[in-house]
Amino acid sequence: GENVEQHPSTLSVQEGDSAVIKCTYSDSASNYFPWYKQELGKRPQLIIDIRSNVGEKKDQRIAVTLNKTAKHFSLHITETQPEDSAVYFCAANTGNQFYFGTGTSLTVIP
Amino acid sequence: GAVVSQHPSWVICKSGTSVKIECRSLDFQATTMFWYRQFPKQSLMLMATSNEGSKATYEQGVEKDKFLINHASLTLSTLTVTSAHPEDSSFYICSARDGGRLNEQFFGPGTRLTVL
Repeated sequence: GENVEQHPSTLSVQEGDSAVIKCTYSDSASNYFPWYKQELGKRPQLIIDIRSNVGEKKDQRIAVTLNKTAKHFSLHITETQPEDSAVYFCAANTGNQFYFGTGTSLTVIP
Repeated sequence: GAVVSQHPSWVICKSGTSVKIECRSLDFQATTMFWYRQFPKQSLMLMATSNEGSKATYEQGVEKDKFLINHASLTLSTLTVTSAHPEDSSFYICSARDGGRLNEQFFGPGTRLTVL
């Protein structure tokens, strides 16, 4: 089955700086890669996603890049704000199944 | 749109009892629903995938007789934790896939189960 690895597990940045989270996957059949933000005790919220036919996607301060050859994808958050502090999960979708990374706890220091 | 509800949000039960958790898609038809388990400060672990009208597909290591899943309609899936024990205490989250939106899944708010 699919194996998704995510790094780093924790990340602290100063407000205004950029944050980058990286994920790798193993199944070349995976074709959809969403990123979720989860605040403590709440449901994961989709923040951005990318499909395998696209290399990069941007939505305001958030961007995702995908390298299918290397089987890795990354989340980039620019101009970070304290409200960006949360746990972020990447996921890879193959067919009818989603496999999640282990999560990155992001702390933005005011 | 694409709202998923889950009930109850928190349940405390005695060891040995069974607990049923409901997951509903409120404004769309969910051809597929997923059940996840999440331990504190850990990732979401997929337990099973349920398709309306057919048997759920369980992930390796998940006991199907322990975690009974029923997907009776396009808007409702239930997870029953049978003969619950303290080690079953966890955060259970469902998600639903909207057949009209390619690939996306929408999460319920989760159910916190505490087994005494």
